[in-house]
Amino acid sequence: GAGVSQSPRYKVAKRGQDVALRCDPISGHVSLFWYQQALGQGPEFLTYFQNEAQLDKSGLPSDRFFAERPEGSVSTLKIQRTQQEDSAVYLCASSSSTSGRNEQYFGPGTRLTVT
Amino acid sequence: KQEVTQIPAALSVPEGENLVLNCSFTDSAIYNLQWFRQDPGKGLTSLLLIQSSQREQTSGRLNASLDKSSGRSTLYIAASQPGDSATYLCAVITDSSYKLIFGSGTRLLVRP
Repeated sequence: GAGVSQSPRYKVAKRGQDVALRCDPISGHVSLFWYQQALGQGPEFLTYFQNEAQLDKSGLPSDRFFAERPEGSVSTLKIQRTQQEDSAVYLCASSSSTSGRNEQYFGPGTRLTVT
Repeated sequence: KQEVTQIPAALSVPEGENLVLNCSFTDSAIYNLQWFRQDPGKGLTSLLLIQSSQREQTSGRLNASLDKSSGRSTLYIAASQPGDSATYLCAVITDSSYKLIFGSGTRLLVRP
């Protein structure tokens, strides 16, 4: 596709359920990022991949959050035992540079609501 | 720790007005600065990217300036239109990182 795509666009989970959010980056983009955006706030960094290697997971809020990118393209963000505070929009971004410091292109996001 | 602040948090203007959105950052050692637009329920659209060595960038009716030494950037929108209504986010990448650090955004409403 021409841009970054994410699925599902909306997800409602009951507290305690596991969820998986998918990101398809722009074809050929080496760097992939996940950000979390709470209502009324700017996005906050969660984790960074360069190809299949997860180089930085310092922003993941707890060990219930797990991300992978096994073949260096599609990435999945998994949240185990969801809590109400996990409710947010989860944004994926990709970049063509190996450093990740060039322009980042964002997907439409997945809005997660935990009830 | 880098912090990014955007003022005002919300702005309402009549159509046709020129306007300025402000962004400030606490650590002047930045690699670049980006301005994004976010429409309700949508992702982020990059508007302008300014490298640390640049002073400004222009795209159509948008002009963004950067003053690293004072830790400030402004986004100037000329002849505003109702279609410009959105949230505008400013974000920086510091010299030592690759993470975008965002402000909380300015919600802009342009009234017909």
